[in-house]
Amino acid sequence: AQSVTQLGSHVSVSEGALVLLRCNYSSSVPPYLFWYVQYPNQGLQLLLKYTSAATLVKGINGFEAEFKKSETSFHLTKPSAHMSDAAEYFCAVSDSNQGGKLIFGQGTELSVKP
Amino acid sequence: DSGVTQTPKHLITATGQRVTLRCSPRSGDLSVYWYQQSLDQGLQFLIQYYNGEERAKGNILERFSAQQFPDLHSELNLSSLELGDSALYFCASSGQRDLTDTQYFGPGTRLTVL
Repeated sequence: AQSVTQLGSHVSVSEGALVLLRCNYSSSVPPYLFWYVQYPNQGLQLLLKYTSAATLVKGINGFEAEFKKSETSFHLTKPSAHMSDAAEYFCAVSDSNQGGKLIFGQGTELSVKP
Repeated sequence: DSGVTQTPKHLITATGQRVTLRCSPRSGDLSVYWYQQSLDQGLQFLIQYYNGEERAKGNILERFSAQQFPDLHSELNLSSLELGDSALYFCASSGQRDLTDTQYFGPGTRLTVL
C-alpha cells in the first residue's frame, strides 16, 4: 500500500529564510507525487506535481520539489519565505490501485515570522 | 478559483439527521472525488465517480452514499449523523482517469453536528 509521511506538523521560519517541508513516501510502484497548499478557510490548491519526467519540479509561488528515489523523498523548498506563504501544506501520492485517489500526509503548518 | 463549486458552505444540524452536500465539477471534468478533512483523521478519501459510475471507494461509512448525475454534478448524502461526522468535506474534480491528472478542489462544506 502507498503512504506518505510528512515530518514535522509545524514549521516556523523567518521572512526571507529558506523554507523546507519534508515528505517521504512509500510505494511499490513508481509514484506520482503532489504538493497542495491550504490557506485558512479555503480549499486545497496544487503547488506542483511529479509525474516521472524531470526530478526537479517547479511550481507556483516560487516553490519547487525534488524527487529522490534513493531516499523515497519529495521535499518542498522555497529559497525565501514570504508572509503570504503561511498556510498548511500537504504532500500526497496518487494511488495507482484505486483510480488515482490521493493519499495525503498529515500536513505541515508553516508559520512565517516578520 | 478552481472552478469547482460546493454548496452549502456551512451546514449545522443535529445528531440523527440527514444532509446532502452538492458539488459541481470544473467544466469538462468527468471525475469527481469526495474527501473528508477532520482534526483526528486528516484528509481521507471517501469515494470517486467517473462519468456517472462509481470508480473507487475509500473508508466511507455505510451511512454515507454518493452519486454522480448525468450533468456530472455529484451529491454526497450523510445520514444518521453523529457528532464525529463533523468535518470539512471537499469535492475535487479531474478530467481523465490518468493517475497524474491534477485534482482541483472546491472550497469545501463545513459540517457541524450538534
